[in-house]
Amino acid sequence: NAGVTQTPKFQVLKTGQSMTLQCAQDMNHNSMYWYRQDPGMGLRLIYYSASEGTTDKGEVPNGYNVSRLNKREFSLRLESAAPSQTSVYFCASSDGQLHYGYTFGSGTRLTVV
Amino acid sequence: KNQVEQSPQSLIILEGKNCTLQCNYTVSPFSNLRWYKQDTGRGPVSLTIMTFSENTKSNGRYTATLDADTKQSSLHITASQLSDSASYICVVSAGSWGKLQFGAGTQVVVTP
Repeated sequence: NAGVTQTPKFQVLKTGQSMTLQCAQDMNHNSMYWYRQDPGMGLRLIYYSASEGTTDKGEVPNGYNVSRLNKREFSLRLESAAPSQTSVYFCASSDGQLHYGYTFGSGTRLTVV
Repeated sequence: KNQVEQSPQSLIILEGKNCTLQCNYTVSPFSNLRWYKQDTGRGPVSLTIMTFSENTKSNGRYTATLDADTKQSSLHITASQLSDSASYICVVSAGSWGKLQFGAGTQVVVTP
């Protein structure tokens, strides 16, 4: 099925550990995004990639890095996890600046202890 | 302050009844407004998208309205079903390359 695939679905980290969240889309979209969702708050943009080869900071980029590996794949890395990064992370993709076909993955639930 | 405010925060309705969710926004300049449905443990799924010139859009039993002058939108669910239990999120896009602004969502529980 066409869509956005995220791995892993669940992860528990100890404070200070690092990990990479993977995201791949098969809809030939130019733009990809990483969000975090916390209770009682709207989704907040961490980083985005308007097109292959470019990345930009979103609303809450501190503590994260990203890599647009190719047109299909966009990864999010936590270099030194902190309890404040406990959240549900969503990857999304869209067809350009008007956000046509904006599609989300099913999420990664991350707990940092 | 969040530029997209939703109300109520949560509601419980009986199966078969109707309900209306509200969204007020201050995002400017306005490009489009979307309603998403998010089932527990899943990513948001688009229900409707409305541009400035559209004031109503339907998707099955879901009908969204938009008043761009007052910056208000509503999502009406007709003849609710148990599968409508979910969080409904209002999302506003601002201008060209406007990043999406998300509301916190309304949690809807449909009971038998």
